[in-house]
Amino acid sequence: LAKTTQPPSMEAYEGQEVNVSCSHTNIATSEYIYWYRQVPHQGPQFIIQGYKDYVVNEVASLFISADRKLSTLSLPWVSLRDAAVYYCIVTDMAGGYKVVFGSGTRLLVSP
Amino acid sequence: DTTVKQNPRYKLARVGKPVNLICSQTMNHDTMYWYQKKPNQAPKLLLFYYDKILNREADTFEKFQSSRPNNSFCSLYIGSAGLEYSAMYLCASSSWVLSAETLYFGSGTRLTVL
Repeated sequence: LAKTTQPPSMEAYEGQEVNVSCSHTNIATSEYIYWYRQVPHQGPQFIIQGYKDYVVNEVASLFISADRKLSTLSLPWVSLRDAAVYYCIVTDMAGGYKVVFGSGTRLLVSP
Repeated sequence: DTTVKQNPRYKLARVGKPVNLICSQTMNHDTMYWYQKKPNQAPKLLLFYYDKILNREADTFEKFQSSRPNNSFCSLYIGSAGLEYSAMYLCASSSWVLSAETLYFGSGTRLTVL
């Protein structure tokens, strides 16, 4: 049973806000939600993490539903450089836990 | 320095020959991971070390070995490479010291088996 479910792909135009959803219906109380993105020929890059409610940093914002079964990554004003595969991961990073990637969401950005 | 270094960046190997990939980090992270990434697929976890304890995924148990002689260094070993091993291999590290610490990834080693 997959730990996370994301839409396989999304499309947007430059300057738009993009919201990528992730379903994690079996999330445990000890688990956090992480978002990474990967562009070709590079390793995944951390974007944001959260446990509940709302988190924001200089790159993105993350909204987590009250029951923590759904999270939404929000990217304001996307550019062509934001075209990547976005991965939502749920795991407990506290030592010795495996971190498994789901299938991810491929974001296509057009000028 | 929050970087994870992988060497080499590109590697060619012959079918049936062994392959050894190297990863290092100087962040004193206790957990190091190896992933295999093929085009249009998500990174697939192969194994990870928590301190000196090696955990290998069941479906890749026989195919990959690893060594972690010290906290900073971790290798991935393929005893006999097959064509299906051609992929990007990503190393990552994380720490339990800070709760919910992130993963730091290297740039990867692209392995081509001929």
